[in-house]
Amino acid sequence: DTEVTQTPKHLVMGMTNKKSLKCEQHMGHRAMYWYKQKAKKPPELMFVYSYEKLSINESVPSRFSPECPNSSLLNLHLHALQPEDSALYLCASSHAPGFRLSSQQFFGPGTRLTVL
Amino acid sequence: GESVGLHLPTLSVQEGDNSIINCAYSNSASDYFIWYKQESGKGPQFIIDIRSNMDKRQGQRVTVLLNKTVKHLSLQIAATQPGDSAVYFCAENSRESKGSQGNLIFGKGTKLSVKP
Repeated sequence: DTEVTQTPKHLVMGMTNKKSLKCEQHMGHRAMYWYKQKAKKPPELMFVYSYEKLSINESVPSRFSPECPNSSLLNLHLHALQPEDSALYLCASSHAPGFRLSSQQFFGPGTRLTVL
Repeated sequence: GESVGLHLPTLSVQEGDNSIINCAYSNSASDYFIWYKQESGKGPQFIIDIRSNMDKRQGQRVTVLLNKTVKHLSLQIAATQPGDSAVYFCAENSRESKGSQGNLIFGKGTKLSVKP
């Protein structure tokens, strides 16, 4: 299985809502990533988990809260978002640092988020 | 032809022609490079990668060339097909990157448009 899955595909939420994005992979990867992508722009790194521990937070506002319950799952909890947070949210996974292919990231299809 | 401006750079080619997409990188310490294809509404899809100890690598219909002297990377697509229409991103990684993680730094992207 060489797939990263993400749910939901689309999400519309109000600024007072609480929602969660989910990501799953079964490739045995121990590094997982959240990216944010605006239209016509490259993906921007938000968070990196390595061995289920948060290793990098790219100064992301606290209204985004990541969680890695186990080695296959990655969640992104959303609360009190702003309209400018509307974007495509991508999850990716890779082998952990120290492995030969640790830089090769596999991406999921993304969740298209709209904040009203 | 290719146009660069406020919008995403675009390369238009005729079906059956060869395409060359270029990418410049700035970090001399980058030792791994990867090309992704992103179709509309989808996540980035791995195409091909190359390490800095190589200057050329071939895949199926695709070739990546690396010129470390001028910090330039290119993706060549042979016999371009309408299904190749997408945005193409190059990405680089350095062993010196944050936390020694396989963090990727993405280029701005090039939109490839294939005319039938």
